[in-house]
Amino acid sequence: RKEVEQDPGPFNVPEGATVAFNCTYSNSASQSFFWYRQDCRKEPKLLMSVYSSGNEDGRFTAQLNRASQYISLLIRDSKLSDSATYLCVVNVYGGSQGNLIFGKGTKLSVKP
Amino acid sequence: NAGVTQTPKFRVLKTGQSMTLLCAQDMNHEYMYWYRQDPGMGLRLIHYSVGEGTTAKGEVPDGYNVSRLKKQNFLLGLESAAPSQTSVYFCASRPGAGAVDEQYFGPGTRLTVT
Repeated sequence: RKEVEQDPGPFNVPEGATVAFNCTYSNSASQSFFWYRQDCRKEPKLLMSVYSSGNEDGRFTAQLNRASQYISLLIRDSKLSDSATYLCVVNVYGGSQGNLIFGKGTKLSVKP
Repeated sequence: NAGVTQTPKFRVLKTGQSMTLLCAQDMNHEYMYWYRQDPGMGLRLIHYSVGEGTTAKGEVPDGYNVSRLKKQNFLLGLESAAPSQTSVYFCASRPGAGAVDEQYFGPGTRLTVT
């Protein structure tokens, strides 16, 4: 089982739609979680951290379910500018590397 | 404050040639990383460093070497380039390995080996 798994998509949605991405992780020692966004031919950038209680930033809502080892990202009222690849990222705290583990990403395309 | 910069942005090499990719960060971060990104493969960690003078292997280290002689710089070397090393290379840095430490990426180097 891969450490971080995501549906690769692509998700093709119209403007204004609500879209949800899911991610599962295999290491129960994972301590912190993030969503990164990567635009075409650009570097990944932090979109938001994911907290145990769930958190919201404008149109974006992130949820964490530790029991199921599952993370989600909900985007409401999609904009054309939301088109990008969304990377699920897990920090296995205390591991030999203390490194972030990246999923392969889910591609979103928002159409007019 | 430039963040993370990478040099060069693009490069074409012939098989067997060597080159060094330079990564520099001005945020006084301890941790630095080199990744490669290929279509359908996601980001794969090549080497990383947890501080000046230290380096360690990541997931796909073969064919690459690194050095971290100064805290702000992390160099990635290809001694004898192969077509399989055609990829986009990203450098990244983090303050540390703390739970909330954001990882910052450079703009990438697009390398083609013919």
